[in-house]
Amino acid sequence: QQPVQSPQAVILREGEDAVINCSSSKALYSVHWYRQKHGEAPVFLMILLKGGEQKGHDKISASFNEKKQQSSLYLTASQLSYSGTYFCGTEDPGNQFYFGTGTSLTVIP
Amino acid sequence: ETGVTQTPRHLVMGMTNKKSLKCEQHLGHNAMYWYKQSAKKPLELMFVYSLEERVENNSVPSRFSPECPNSSHLFLHLHTLQPEDSALYLCASSQSQGNTGELFFGEGSRLTVL
Repeated sequence: QQPVQSPQAVILREGEDAVINCSSSKALYSVHWYRQKHGEAPVFLMILLKGGEQKGHDKISASFNEKKQQSSLYLTASQLSYSGTYFCGTEDPGNQFYFGTGTSLTVIP
Repeated sequence: ETGVTQTPRHLVMGMTNKKSLKCEQHLGHNAMYWYKQSAKKPLELMFVYSLEERVENNSVPSRFSPECPNSSHLFLHLHTLQPEDSALYLCASSQSQGNTGELFFGEGSRLTVL
């Protein structure tokens, strides 16, 4: 029931791009994305409510493919501050919400 | 400052101790949650309270006992824990419980059971 994220871990140099994927075996009502920096609370990034929806903030954006039960998070021109663990959260039409397995992202100079 | 405060930040206890974790939210939210975060595992939902009533309990062992005296406070009472219960316990709140909106997390209570 928990969505699966890939990759599990990624290391980038500053300025490089990354994609984090989130796949569910169940139909989805919404997808959420959070980032947790080491020793800190997870922080909400964005929520996608409709299939085909894309959202973005600064250089972080996401898409939601309702048919494929997938979402992807895109980090463009990564900055050191992007380092952390990224979690997707998926909600099914019955309001069951599960966090994904997490992706550790490390940006190095 | 996320508006959700957890105390204590760190706790070490023996298996026969009784302790409590406290969570307070200053956001006027109606739903509060306890999550367990273990190394290399997804965040696991333990309990959900909506308007001070428990609406979800994900088969959590009875050695964990939640209490929600009002919409701003949430406790997790701990007794006779096991070493495998060592983890980061995160409290979160949201505007309402259905159709999960943005969750606001506290910084967590790091629990070590000896």
